[in-house]
Amino acid sequence: EVQLLESGGGLEQPGGSLRLSCAASGFTFRSYAMSWVRQAPGKGLEWVSSITGSGGTTYYADSVKGRFTISRDNSKNTLYLQMNSLRAEDTALYYCARFRGTTGTTHFDSWGQGTLVTVSS
Amino acid sequence: DIQMTQSPSSLSASVGDRVTITCRASQDIRNYLAWFQQKPGKAPKSLIYAASSLQSGVPSKFSGSGSGTDFTLTISSLQPEDFATYYCQQYNSYPLTFGGGTKVEIK
Repeated sequence: EVQLLESGGGLEQPGGSLRLSCAASGFTFRSYAMSWVRQAPGKGLEWVSSITGSGGTTYYADSVKGRFTISRDNSKNTLYLQMNSLRAEDTALYYCARFRGTTGTTHFDSWGQGTLVTVSS
Repeated sequence: DIQMTQSPSSLSASVGDRVTITCRASQDIRNYLAWFQQKPGKAPKSLIYAASSLQSGVPSKFSGSGSGTDFTLTISSLQPEDFATYYCQQYNSYPLTFGGGTKVEIK
């Protein structure tokens, strides 16, 4: 069974940093591209960033480009999101999602339960 | 960026009703469209990919159609567990974009 377990969320001040993790199990992690998708309170879904199975290619939404960095450790079956220069508008529930395939150009087929990030002074 | 527009933003329906949700892309996305269901306090669940293919384990009361710019999600006979918010999403090109959601409520 595919399992994606996010962690690392919490309360951070504007301008601060957080690192989110997504621990994957139940599948061959390196064979799948992964992504972060967020949802602000009471709002819809917003794609944040994606990474190919090898980690060689990354994609970012304009709203986070230059501030967030996606990475993965295939030896630890873990996806990361390093979030710097946090803003109030980054407050959201952050989901880890798996692509069907290694390239990041297909559809999502599994989602984690999310980790909440709150940016406030 | 490709804009995804869903309609309606909300609807009220009764158990047993046939429900149709529309999603329009601002440019041709071929059939690179997915649908997700989200219940309150829960993660999204993948329902349909490639516009009309059901994810494994998704009941056949859900169906999708369309290509190019216009797509629909249909629930053939609404059941209590189907009351949720539904999102479309294009994966034709980056940045990946979602529709604004359609909340299906009990009449």
